[in-house]
Amino acid sequence: SQTIHQWPATLVQPVGSPLSLECTVEGTSNPNLYWYRQAAGRGLQLLFYSVGIGQISSEVPQNLSASRPQDRQFILSSKKLLLSDSGFYLCAWSTLPTSTDTQYFGPGTRLTVL
Amino acid sequence: GQNIDQPTEMTATEGAIVQINCTYQTSGFNGLFWYQQHAGEAPTFLSYNVLDGLEEKGRFSSFLSRSKGYSYLLLKELQMKDSASYLCAALDSNYQLIWGAGTKLIIKP
Repeated sequence: SQTIHQWPATLVQPVGSPLSLECTVEGTSNPNLYWYRQAAGRGLQLLFYSVGIGQISSEVPQNLSASRPQDRQFILSSKKLLLSDSGFYLCAWSTLPTSTDTQYFGPGTRLTVL
Repeated sequence: GQNIDQPTEMTATEGAIVQINCTYQTSGFNGLFWYQQHAGEAPTFLSYNVLDGLEEKGRFSSFLSRSKGYSYLLLKELQMKDSASYLCAALDSNYQLIWGAGTKLIIKP
């Protein structure tokens, strides 16, 4: 069966510090991978998605970036965090390239920028 | 623009039935998802509708009307563990999910 891991689970970082969040998927090959952010009491905002190694599409221009160095690894990064980057970061995967397939979420990382 | 509307919060009683509505406006349409999200946790998949009509899964059912741009999630025999946010999301013509802000469902004994 497929599983998705995210770490760390929680993170408190000062403004201006760098960020690296990691997501890995097991039990499937060539998944679509997604990074979302959810602000408190808000809906999900798609940040990046990837259909393959090295292929990243950005949905929202900002100080975040994403990389996919391996088939089942997706990394979210920032060089300098802003207060507005605080939120719940969720990684998700699905299996079809143009996907009506369901997206399944990892456990999430709660980021607080102080 | 693309938009999903659902109520912010609903309250229901344990053992009762509740219907959570969702209306959508998207560029093209390839289906409607419902997810459940408990506080502090990730969303989990509940249902997917692409054809008009009702899909039943145990205590949960989901309905879709494509002509009206409307869906609802029906929860029967409510249990305290059903207290959660319920997210509606529509898949547009580019196969991108457009998410609603979620409906927080509060179950009272």
